[in-house]
Amino acid sequence: DTGVSQDPRHKITKRGQNVTFRCDPISEHNRLYWYRQTLGQGPEFLTYFQNEAQLEKSRLLSDRFSAERPKGSFSTLEIQRTEQGDSAMYLCASSLGRDSPLHFGNGTRLTVT
Amino acid sequence: RKEVEQDPGPFNVPEGATVAFNCTYSNSASQSFFWYRQDCRKEPKLLMSVYSSGNEDGRFTAQLNRASQYISLLIRDSKLSDSATYLCVLEGTDKLIFGTGTRLQVFP
Repeated sequence: DTGVSQDPRHKITKRGQNVTFRCDPISEHNRLYWYRQTLGQGPEFLTYFQNEAQLEKSRLLSDRFSAERPKGSFSTLEIQRTEQGDSAMYLCASSLGRDSPLHFGNGTRLTVT
Repeated sequence: RKEVEQDPGPFNVPEGATVAFNCTYSNSASQSFFWYRQDCRKEPKLLMSVYSSGNEDGRFTAQLNRASQYISLLIRDSKLSDSATYLCVLEGTDKLIFGTGTRLQVFP
């Protein structure tokens, strides 16, 4: 399977714990995006990378959130001191570049109890 | 004003019906537009790009009206399998901006 893969598929954690998600994009795609989606809403942009450079971060991304793409391939999204409001589906997507459509992974569903 | 606005629906239509969704956007500088489809508890998937001259893919027709800043999606001969949420998407500043989606339910 050469699509975008995300791990884990589901994560249940207690408030205050740290969690880390991984995304492996399609190999030839330079751009990698993180979005967050809650029930009844469309995906909301969080951040994106062009190769290993993080070029933009949304105001939605508080200081508790950090994302990396160290070698321009896979990416990780870490949430520190999770809060119940962080419960959502975290979607990773990759693309060939600007104006190219996004290819999404299956997402990581986070539940903070 | 939201960057992308869609009627959330749901649109409930019988099989074989024609249904149309509109989406308005606020950024006149947007150059790329797409429709994505999202099934319940699944990831969004690209349905089709939207070109300035309008384009068709089988039963699906997309149109762009830059003057009025809206795009549309027309589905002809609806199938049960078309039931999903349809997301209007446009190019923002180096990222894609998604609408909240319009839910379609096709019934027998």
